[in-house]
Amino acid sequence: EAGVAQSPRYKIIEKRQSVAFWCNPISGHATLYWYQQILGQGPKLLIQFQNNGVVDDSQLPKDRFSAERLKGVDSTLKIQPAKLEDSAVYLCASLPLGGTPDTQYFGPGTRLTVL
Amino acid sequence: KQEVTQIPAALSVPEGENLVLNCSFTDSAIYNLQWFRQDPGKGLTSLLLIQSSQREQTSGRLNASLDKSSGRSTLYIAASQPGDSATYLCAVPGSARQLTFGSGTQLTVLP
Repeated sequence: EAGVAQSPRYKIIEKRQSVAFWCNPISGHATLYWYQQILGQGPKLLIQFQNNGVVDDSQLPKDRFSAERLKGVDSTLKIQPAKLEDSAVYLCASLPLGGTPDTQYFGPGTRLTVL
Repeated sequence: KQEVTQIPAALSVPEGENLVLNCSFTDSAIYNLQWFRQDPGKGLTSLLLIQSSQREQTSGRLNASLDKSSGRSTLYIAASQPGDSATYLCAVPGSARQLTFGSGTQLTVLP
């Protein structure tokens, strides 16, 4: 089966610009996660979707970050405006309905550099 | 709130050495612990999953142990090879089917 797809793989922007990332989870996976991984740190959950509903967005900086999963399939994560500290790898993961967290499938990530 | 810590942050060893990576967690009410490998520019690859009822799990040259009572896990790599160079992350599940990750150990195995 195809894995979790993310695009773009790399993005360089200047601070205060906007950027969007796209994730296409494994077909049929109901749960989708976005993680932020700053260099030298482990991934930190930003937002979790179940189908097209938000389960947890408590760690999402809502003043500048937004995410949507309109049809319960693919998802976009947007940053507007970007700050220097947003430089990180953004990982998307998906999980089948009823799956346990240890069976998350991770995409390759999008590396964002904010100058 | 669960916190996961990994030491050391970085480790460099010559090829052939055996090594141990450490992971500690603050909330022992976990039902499993997972070790991942992360290569530059790539996603996470699950290496080993230890259920709370297990004390050890082995895969090839890798052996992971879990001591819930002390909040610790170790990943033992035998006869290290340059291809083992990567970042190793441990993670524990939390509520709502989420994972909490440690900050990782960056391993370099020198030829």
